[in-house]
Amino acid sequence: NAGVTQTPKFRVLKTGQSMTLLCAQDMNHEYMYWYRQDPGMGLRLIHYSVGEGTTAKGEVPDGYNVSRLKKQNFLLGLESAAPSQTSVYFCASRNADGSNYGYTFGSGTRLTVV
Amino acid sequence: RKEVEQDPGPFNVPEGATVAFNCTYSNSASQSFFWYRQDCRKEPKLLMSVYSSGNEDGRFTAQLNRASQYISLLIRDSKLSDSATYLCVVRGSSASKIIFGSGTRLSIRP
Repeated sequence: NAGVTQTPKFRVLKTGQSMTLLCAQDMNHEYMYWYRQDPGMGLRLIHYSVGEGTTAKGEVPDGYNVSRLKKQNFLLGLESAAPSQTSVYFCASRNADGSNYGYTFGSGTRLTVV
Repeated sequence: RKEVEQDPGPFNVPEGATVAFNCTYSNSASQSFFWYRQDCRKEPKLLMSVYSSGNEDGRFTAQLNRASQYISLLIRDSKLSDSATYLCVVRGSSASKIIFGSGTRLSIRP
């Protein structure tokens, strides 16, 4: 059981380039999230999805787009990368059943924009 | 004021010591509370949920004080392997209303 898988694990982009980060989960979770983590800032929510075909903005959505065409996949896109988007990106998922269980995180993507 | 606040530390304690962290939250309507552990350059992992009556898992004890709006984590008989950053997580009623604290760094020395 793989849990939550993120690809790629590392990437270096030039300013203005685009890329897509993929998150895949095999736990049949309804909710999926994209966070970024910067030193001293904690985890900040970029976008999230409460089900297939739905997405919503989080705390810091500017410069990112997402899609959830299949329940198990949640894609994060950067259309025109900027140095301010250098960060570690984590995907997470959880059940929608109101249980007191927390999230399952992917292992992260380290992105550097030069 | 941040919605979830933690002392960033670092806490540097000897092996075998007992150490405690607090985390305060500002939204009285918050519903669920968790402690996560994050090792250097790794993803956060659930350490334990925090229940209203308090709960214990081996050497770890979590407590919730709704009146004063804080949760706590107590680690007894600390091990070298407990060295990590501990994140406080507070969840509201909506799918998006999840706030992570910035974390408390703990370092256990031999």
